[in-house]
Amino acid sequence: QKEVEQNSGPLSVPEGAIASLNCTYSDRVSQSFFWYRQYSGKSPELIMSIYSNGDKEDGRFTAQLNKASQYVSLLIRDSQPSDSATYLCAVDMNRDDKIIFGKGTRLHILP
Amino acid sequence: SQTIHQWPATLVQPVGSPLSLECTVEGTSNPNLYWYRQAAGRGLQLLFYSVGIGQISSEVPQNLSASRPQDRQFILSSKKLLLSDSGFYLCAWSTGGPVLGYTFGSGTRLTVV
Repeated sequence: QKEVEQNSGPLSVPEGAIASLNCTYSDRVSQSFFWYRQYSGKSPELIMSIYSNGDKEDGRFTAQLNKASQYVSLLIRDSQPSDSATYLCAVDMNRDDKIIFGKGTRLHILP
Repeated sequence: SQTIHQWPATLVQPVGSPLSLECTVEGTSNPNLYWYRQAAGRGLQLLFYSVGIGQISSEVPQNLSASRPQDRQFILSSKKLLLSDSGFYLCAWSTGGPVLGYTFGSGTRLTVV
């Protein structure tokens, strides 16, 4: 089983709708969870972090964590064309000093 | 504020040539430093990480090496590049380990021809 799994997409969402991105992870002792946004040709940018079960909201972004199901998601409300990017889920597996990244989901917002 | 510098932005090198990519961090002390590679259509692959001067952990055995000669400087090197070394190389830093996430540099796009 891969350590951090994401659907590669592309996920197409109409402008103004809610985009829902999902991620599962393998290690039950993981403590910290992150969402990065990566525009084509650019480096990843940290947009959300979440550490406890439940929802965390920041502007149009909401991260959701369910440790029992080993599942983390990112919701983007009122999607804009500028949200079109690849979204990387990353998990601190609570061992060594490193974060494991998923391969990313490509999101395309349709104008 | 903390900033991370990575250069060059793009590089085209012939097979068999050497490589040196440099990354420096400003505005913080004793950061954890990381080198990642992202090949076309693939995920982020951790190559090396360092928790202090002279301390290097290698994740993937290959013809690349890393060094940390100063607290805020991280260098990725190769003596002889292979075609398979092409990719987007990213340096990242964190303080206090991975708990707060990483901040990435702008990256170097390496094409080996």
